[in-house]
Amino acid sequence: QKEVEQDPGPLSVPEGAIVSLNCTYSNSAFQYFMWYRQYSRKGPELLMYTYSSGNKEDGRFTAQVDKSSKYISLFIRDSQPSDSATYLCAMSSNFNKFYFGSGTKLNVKP
Amino acid sequence: GAVVSQHPSWVICKSGTSVKIECRSLDFQATTMFWYRQFPKQSLMLMATSNEGSKATYEQGVEKDKFLINHASLTLSTLTVTSAHPEDSSFYICSTRDSRVYEQYFGPGTRLTVT
Repeated sequence: QKEVEQDPGPLSVPEGAIVSLNCTYSNSAFQYFMWYRQYSRKGPELLMYTYSSGNKEDGRFTAQVDKSSKYISLFIRDSQPSDSATYLCAMSSNFNKFYFGSGTKLNVKP
Repeated sequence: GAVVSQHPSWVICKSGTSVKIECRSLDFQATTMFWYRQFPKQSLMLMATSNEGSKATYEQGVEKDKFLINHASLTLSTLTVTSAHPEDSSFYICSTRDSRVYEQYFGPGTRLTVT
């Protein structure tokens, strides 16, 4: 079983839609959770970081962590074509090693 | 966030040759650097972790004699792919981290094609 599971998509939505991206994990020691956005042929850029369970909001982005279910989500409100990218979840227990999901490819259609 | 550069961004080499990829932290003292490789439509696979002035720690299954990592300063780490073969063709990405903060800052990646 992989440490982190993520649906690869692709996920196609119309502009303005609410997007929900999810990851599940198996290691209960994970307590740091991150979402990265990666454009084609580029390195990932950090979008959101959450520690332990709870919600965190930053503009159109909301990250949720449910440690009891080992499930994390990223919501994008009012999605824009510029949000089209691959979204990677990542998690760590101590910042010495990070475990990444395989990424979900998102396409927001104008 | 911190700025991380990689050079070259794209390299084509012949089988059997060696290729060096540089990762520079431009405005940030990177005590730790990570090297990843990424295959199309797949996740980032950690190859090794290096701390400045120390030998790199390689992940299981990664040949340390094939993928030589040097982290000689707080701003520069290099990955040398020795005797490259077509199966080494991949997207190599470095990331940097300071021990005081949680964030990893990624470089733009280097696409290696071995013919």
